[in-house]
Amino acid sequence: QLVLTQPPAASASLGASVKLTCTLSSGHSTYTIAWHQQLPGKGPRYLMKLKSDGSHKKGDGIPDRFSGSSSGAERYLTISNLQSDDEAVYYCQTWTADIRGVFGGGTRLTVL
Amino acid sequence: QVQLVQSGAEVKKPGASVKVSCQASGYIFSNHDINWVRQASGQGLEWIGWMNPYTGNTGYRQTFRGRVAMTRNTSTRTAYMELTGLTSEDTAVYYCVRPNVGEYTFDYWGQGSLVIVSS
Repeated sequence: QLVLTQPPAASASLGASVKLTCTLSSGHSTYTIAWHQQLPGKGPRYLMKLKSDGSHKKGDGIPDRFSGSSSGAERYLTISNLQSDDEAVYYCQTWTADIRGVFGGGTRLTVL
Repeated sequence: QVQLVQSGAEVKKPGASVKVSCQASGYIFSNHDINWVRQASGQGLEWIGWMNPYTGNTGYRQTFRGRVAMTRNTSTRTAYMELTGLTSEDTAVYYCVRPNVGEYTFDYWGQGSLVIVSS
């Protein structure tokens, strides 16, 4: 069964960088995922899709401060030069033939 | 630009049904599935199901089968999700989402429709 695991919380200082992690369950290390951002009180917004080779394609208007990388079953979202507006919950998402929306539990990012 | 515009908030009694709409623009409606995802207050994202606007084919999460129906009107480029037998557990914001073609990443989200189930 395909499961995406995310740490529930992360924090970093204003202006610093943070690397968020999404881990694919055993046997699914080649899967492409997407990262989504959900600001407080808002709906989710697509940030990027990220492949197992680390290549990624961002959505319209997503700043260069957001980037993705991969290592084995881990998928990362790195946010550089953190702004207060980056405080949000970040979800990873992938799919299977039967379950077309598989979500991680989300990581709540606090900007200190 | 791609937009998914959803219907407004609804308040329903337990046992009732709700039908949420999602009007698409900015792309060829029949070329992309529409999926529905919900989020209860303070909780994560839960996928409900998908619909192919070209064929009308659908697929639903096991827990919703028998209680959900996804349909469309291609002339108005509108997708619908109807949920029956509502309970308080169905109180949530419901989102329509459009996946990419080829790789099923959700690249556009509707603004969400709040459904409250309360007696």
